[in-house]
Amino acid sequence: DTAVSQTPKYLVTQMGNDKSIKCEQNLGHDTMYWYKQDSKKFLKIMFSYNNKELIINETVPNRFSPKSPDKAHLNLHINSLELGDSAVYFCASSPRDTRTEAFFGQGTRLTVV
Amino acid sequence: SQKIEQNSEALNIQEGKTATLTCNYTNYSPAYLQWYRQDPGRGPVFLLLIRENEKEKRKERLKVTFDTTLKQSLFHITASQPADSATYLCALDADNDMRFGAGTRLTVKP
Repeated sequence: DTAVSQTPKYLVTQMGNDKSIKCEQNLGHDTMYWYKQDSKKFLKIMFSYNNKELIINETVPNRFSPKSPDKAHLNLHINSLELGDSAVYFCASSPRDTRTEAFFGQGTRLTVV
Repeated sequence: SQKIEQNSEALNIQEGKTATLTCNYTNYSPAYLQWYRQDPGRGPVFLLLIRENEKEKRKERLKVTFDTTLKQSLFHITASQPADSATYLCALDADNDMRFGAGTRLTVKP
């Protein structure tokens, strides 16, 4: 069973479109994250959720809106896509109170054309 | 501002040697520090975690040190193998805010 799964794995879309990336974890973790990895491979935190509550919201355009319907899911919706949004987006989860490792999904490669 | 710096973008070593990677941080008081491995096209995979009150942690051929005075962690891979070639990332966590360094791309040559 996949611990953290993201869909889709690849996403090619035109500028101006709205798209969503889904993330689910079956580990029972309380905390989930979204990261963006750009072409220089730098992994930058975008959002952190704990038990469906937003904890971290970095300087991300408000075109990006995370949604957590329950603590096992954290979806990322992006409005009015721009060329600069092209990157690999990773979802991750970790326990809250036991400081252990984070588990990452396989990533979603978003290409805006 | 908070910074996490991994001193080398790339490191090339010969098989069998010890690889040493460095992670420095400023304006940060992490509760613990983690190291991850990332292969091309994959998500990061956890390797080791060390807490602020620990000096050293080992796992098989891996060793991590954590010096909160120097604000530095060293990551060692002993008896390196070509299969160890990957990008290694350090991550600092302080209460659900987990941030990564830019990574060091390690290449172990046979």
